[in-house]
Amino acid sequence: QSVLTQPPSASGTPGQRVTISCSGSSSNIGSNTVNWYQQLPGTAPKLLIYSNNQRPSGVPDRFSGSKSGTSASLAISGLQSEDEADYYCAAWDDSLNVRGVVFGGGTKLTVL
Amino acid sequence: QLQLQESGPGLVKPSETLSLTCTVSGGSISSSSYYWGWIRQPPGKGLEWIGSIYYSGSTYYNPSLKSRVTISVDTSKNQFSLKLSSVTAADTAVYYCASGEFLNAFDIWGQGTMVTVSS
Repeated sequence: QSVLTQPPSASGTPGQRVTISCSGSSSNIGSNTVNWYQQLPGTAPKLLIYSNNQRPSGVPDRFSGSKSGTSASLAISGLQSEDEADYYCAAWDDSLNVRGVVFGGGTKLTVL
Repeated sequence: QLQLQESGPGLVKPSETLSLTCTVSGGSISSSSYYWGWIRQPPGKGLEWIGSIYYSGSTYYNPSLKSRVTISVDTSKNQFSLKLSSVTAADTAVYYCASGEFLNAFDIWGQGTMVTVSS
């Protein structure tokens, strides 16, 4: 059971806007920044969004992140076939028994 | 541009110690104010942070693995390493080394190395 909760799957058609949610608690998302990773099949994860809503150099502006309270979201606009991947949220958790980086269970995005 | 490459045995026996090394190229591990970390992914499952070390030597470990994990840096070889003791089949996973300016944001990843725990 992951500390951060994500829907196991999401889907959309090319050109659509899709959002993926990430739910946590006051000890992680509620008090620390959220990062998002994209993992294409058979490859290492890639940092997609950091500090809630910042894009590393080279990441298209079709990808955006937001945070409110103890939840965060990743939005992908103008969905493309190459966006089909697993997406993970992550945050630092301050709680005594979990203190460290925690990941969501991942969301498999299918482009129909 | 920093690049990372994992190396180490692909097969480890139960109860033994898993040892992996991450070689850093394109920059000095000691001069960059980076965090250097290890993350693993069991087959078909999600990501699990194992631990990280700051360039100054401070270490941060996943509490669930802390009693079995040691992460260290060898500046002379521009490498950092992972040791995980008393392994079981549950430790079978792809192990990634990664780095980043923030403790919880890894922007550079190695390609990953599969480690199987089996007799």
